[in-house]
Amino acid sequence: DQQVKQNSPSLSVQEGRISILNCDYTNSMFDYFLWYKKYPAEGPTFLISISSIKDKNEDGRFTVFLNKSAKHLSLHIVPSQPGDSAVYFCAASDGLRGNTPLVFGKGTRLSVIA
Amino acid sequence: DGGITQSPKYLFRKEGQNVTLSCEQNLNHDAMYWYRQDPGQGLRLIYYSQIVNDFQKGDIAEGYSVSREKKESFPLTVTSAQKNPTAFYLCASSIWREDYGYTFGSGTRLTVV
Repeated sequence: DQQVKQNSPSLSVQEGRISILNCDYTNSMFDYFLWYKKYPAEGPTFLISISSIKDKNEDGRFTVFLNKSAKHLSLHIVPSQPGDSAVYFCAASDGLRGNTPLVFGKGTRLSVIA
Repeated sequence: DGGITQSPKYLFRKEGQNVTLSCEQNLNHDAMYWYRQDPGQGLRLIYYSQIVNDFQKGDIAEGYSVSREKKESFPLTVTSAQKNPTAFYLCASSIWREDYGYTFGSGTRLTVV
């Protein structure tokens, strides 16, 4: 059973518009969430994170929103740029201070069209 | 510069052969992980190690083996028992902080021929 779900395999957005990537989770013990960006044939790179004590975290063009009651988080990219085209993975952990393995979603492929 | 290195980048294996993928980090991270990526499957955990000489199975450990004799190194052996070994393999390491997460290597593409 998937504990972290990214239900949209792909998303296309025009350059300059907002990209919204969604992620749902089922494990109520998850208390830390991360987004990773991955280009083909490369390892994922950390993008942004949020702990369960917050409902929003912002870093430049990237904002992550967390709705704990709905067990839902989303990544907003504004404005979207062609270089943002990549696969985005949502990840979650139930061990904020330990080395608990992250659980990843299946990813969403974002295409930003110029 | 500190980082995590996977080698080789591309690997071809004949059916029935074991093959070992290398992963080395100089970040002084305690924990190391192996993930497998298949199209449409995301990242699935194979094995992980939190300290030297200790490791745990992940979700898809069957047909794989690991060792952790040094803090810096976490090699993965894909054995002949692994039914579908062709995949992209990712190694990661971590020391847990709120804004840090994992550092990933650049991956090894394994193809069975």
